[in-house]
Amino acid sequence: EGQLLESGGGLVQPGGSLRLSCAASRFSFSHYAMSWVRQPPGKGLEWVSGISGNGLSTFYADSVKGRFTVSRDNSKNTLFLQMSSLRAEDTAVYFCAKVLYEYVWGSYNLLNCDSWGQGTLVTVSS
Amino acid sequence: QSALAQPASVSGSPGQSITISCTGSSNDVGAYKYVSWYQQHPGKAPKLMIYEVSNRPSGVSNRFSGSKSGNTASLTISGLQAEDESDYYCTSYTDSSTLWLFGGGTKLTVL
Repeated sequence: EGQLLESGGGLVQPGGSLRLSCAASRFSFSHYAMSWVRQPPGKGLEWVSGISGNGLSTFYADSVKGRFTVSRDNSKNTLFLQMSSLRAEDTAVYFCAKVLYEYVWGSYNLLNCDSWGQGTLVTVSS
Repeated sequence: QSALAQPASVSGSPGQSITISCTGSSNDVGAYKYVSWYQQHPGKAPKLMIYEVSNRPSGVSNRFSGSKSGNTASLTISGLQAEDESDYYCTSYTDSSTLWLFGGGTKLTVL
């Protein structure tokens, strides 16, 4: 099972930007699609974004489309989420997650996630 | 698009069985086999319990099982144990542009 460690969260003003990172280990990172999922304090889960193992296919929830960009650096086993035009409703713990199947890039695979990081908190407030 | 509908809470005694429902529509739960269930303890990351309606990942107890009928998916936990007390979330692929929906979560209390 993989190990994932998020970083980059913090306090940001509305309209600002932030980049989250997710360092992966103990699995062949480039073989697996990855997802970002968030959870506002005291609330439920929301899928945010996903990316194929080769980085060529990216997917977004409607709520973040046009504002967030997912990417990965397979040479450094790291996943990223660039967030811009941040809003108060983006305040949440952001989790990165590894999908279950190797070499499956379809969007239908993005929430079969067998490994998760501990999450990083993003607070959007003035 | 609205989240999938789950009961806010369920409860059961040790050794009993409980079922958590997850109701969607013909555009999500009813249309695809891509329904998953997650367990989340307070302050922790979610844990995959069931994927593709009824498959259990390696290491998950066979006390957990999943099924689907029409637009409703279900998670059944048999032989309830104290450690099963947690929040449970269903999720489904959808044909809408947002791709994935979550249920609002169900708090399981073991009495």
